[in-house]
Amino acid sequence: KNQVEQSPQSLIILEGKNCTLQCNYTVSPFSNLRWYKQDTGRGPVSLTIMTFSENTKSNGRYTATLDADTKQSSLHITASQLSDSASYICVVSKRQGGSEKLVFGKGMKLTVNP
Amino acid sequence: DTGVSQNPRHKITKRGQNVTFRCDPISEHNRLYWYRQTLGQGPEFLTYFQNEAQLEKSRLLSDRFSAERPKGSFSTLEIQRTEQGDSAMYLCASSLVRENTEAFFGQGTRLTVV
Repeated sequence: KNQVEQSPQSLIILEGKNCTLQCNYTVSPFSNLRWYKQDTGRGPVSLTIMTFSENTKSNGRYTATLDADTKQSSLHITASQLSDSASYICVVSKRQGGSEKLVFGKGMKLTVNP
Repeated sequence: DTGVSQNPRHKITKRGQNVTFRCDPISEHNRLYWYRQTLGQGPEFLTYFQNEAQLEKSRLLSDRFSAERPKGSFSTLEIQRTEQGDSAMYLCASSLVRENTEAFFGQGTRLTVV
């Protein structure tokens, strides 16, 4: 079983609509949670990083939430644009020795149609 | 361009051949990571370096795979006797040695073994 589970696996929405992506994790010990955006054939680009004490963090039209008690996170995209079409990956950083190890979800594919 | 640079961007090789990829991290970043990503999946950890020391290797990194970071700057990932199952995107990321710090990814090297 993956330590980072994302839902839905894919989503199609119309331009201008909002959407919310979900992430559940079991990674322990927890260091931080990150959301990445990955365009097809490109490397992932960081959207947000949240530590244990942060409940919400925004980056433009992206707002991430974290509930460390229930080990859940969400990424809300407001007023979607065609350029939001990409894979969105939830990544949980695990404390390991003196360093962090990134544990990736499988990602979810968002398609924004005109 | 001061981001993470990977070369080549694409590589097509015949089964059984050896291939080598290069990653140039952001100059002041001590940590360097290699990941492998297959279609529809999130990146899977292969190995990471702190300066020139290789601190962890995944079980995914069979004896046909070797990574080096000889001077603590650029890194190479070599795959010997390639197999069709090695076809994937190989991603490199770098970060500072600091908790909750962002990891920056390169654009990846797409390997196709025919």
